[in-house]
Amino acid sequence: GAVVSQHPSRVICKSGTSVKIECRSLDFQATTMFWYRQFPKQSLMLMATSNEGSKATYEQGVEKDKFLINHASLTLSTLTVTSAHPEDSSFYICSARDSGSGTDTQYFGPGTRLTVL
Amino acid sequence: AQSVTQPDIHITVSEGASLELRCNYSYGATPYLFWYVQSPGQGLQLLLKYFSGDTLVQGIKGFEAEFKRSQSSFNLRKPSVHWSDAAEYFCAVVPSTGGGNKLTFGTGTQLKVEL
Repeated sequence: GAVVSQHPSRVICKSGTSVKIECRSLDFQATTMFWYRQFPKQSLMLMATSNEGSKATYEQGVEKDKFLINHASLTLSTLTVTSAHPEDSSFYICSARDSGSGTDTQYFGPGTRLTVL
Repeated sequence: AQSVTQPDIHITVSEGASLELRCNYSYGATPYLFWYVQSPGQGLQLLLKYFSGDTLVQGIKGFEAEFKRSQSSFNLRKPSVHWSDAAEYFCAVVPSTGGGNKLTFGTGTQLKVEL
């Protein structure tokens, strides 16, 4: 149980284009999902908290117009990197909070490697 | 300020040897505590967690961790390491009250296993 998927696993795009990353909780409902960014050999940096049915909450320094988050259902959150530039190249990881089991635990997706040319 | 510290950036152990990865936290109250493992190019897998109760927690893959309130520590242990355990290990905490359920991660410990 408690599986989270991400799609795509890898994406290469041209500078100026937009890229959408999907995060799905496969066997539980997640009212809250989180989006992280990870640079090589570093820890995870929280970008935003995605809440089902409401606006995402962004961490300080994260541009909300650059990184659009939509939490359309209890099992799906999407991150769209708009007008991507090479500095947006990174490993993006989502997590979903399983609050239904009472354990309040985050389960992570396998990550998406974004390369902007 | 609230923080999570993993003092060891890199650790190398021989296969079959015991392992202990250190984690210390600084919070006003005892938070919820987690250990995650990340293989190269992969997401994070939950090894174990502590919310309350028995301070010795058993996890997957033969790992265990012990919560010590007096030392604000949550160290991860394994009696006998396997070559497949080579990965990055992250300690993380969530405030038990408030905090918006946000995980705070340590900087990670890279484990290398020598055959």
